[in-house]
Amino acid sequence: EAGVAQSPRYKIIEKRQSVAFWCNPISGHATLYWYQQILGQGPKLLIQFQNNGVVDDSQLPKDRFSAERLKGVDSTLKIQPAKLEDSAVYLCASRQLEGPSYEQYFGPGTRLTVT
Amino acid sequence: GENVEQHPSTLSVQEGDSAVIKCTYSDSASNYFPWYKQELGKGPQLIIDIRSNVGEKKDQRIAVTLNKTAKHFSLHITETQPEDSAVYFCAARAYKLSFGAGTTVTVRA
Repeated sequence: EAGVAQSPRYKIIEKRQSVAFWCNPISGHATLYWYQQILGQGPKLLIQFQNNGVVDDSQLPKDRFSAERLKGVDSTLKIQPAKLEDSAVYLCASRQLEGPSYEQYFGPGTRLTVT
Repeated sequence: GENVEQHPSTLSVQEGDSAVIKCTYSDSASNYFPWYKQELGKGPQLIIDIRSNVGEKKDQRIAVTLNKTAKHFSLHITETQPEDSAVYFCAARAYKLSFGAGTTVTVRA
């Protein structure tokens, strides 16, 4: 099966600019996650969707970050305006809703550099 | 919330030797403990996981042990090979996955 797709793979912007990332999860996976991975750290959950509803966005800086999953499939994560500390890899992951597995499948990530 | 600590941060081993990475967690509600391998430019990939009702699990050269009382779990890689060189992350799930800071493993040929 095809894996989690993300685009773009790399993005360089100046501070105060806006940027958007796109994620296409594995077909049939109802749960979708966005993580932020700062260099040298483990991934940190930003937001979790189940179908097109938000399950957890407690760690999302809502003054500048937004995310949506309008049709319960693809998702976009937006940052506006960007700050230097937003430089990180943004990972998308998906998981089946049904069944015993907790396994999350990760995409390759988008590396964001804010200058 | 859950706090996962991982040690060591870097590990260099000779090819054929064993590698051990240790993690501790804080939330006693955690019931799922996966280990991920991340290669340069790629997303994390699950290599093995264990649930709280199991003390040990093995898959070929990889094994994981869990001590719920001590809130401690470990990854063991035996007969290391150059392709095992990567960053390894432990994680614990209570209500969401919380990751450790990672261990950079280098296998010397």
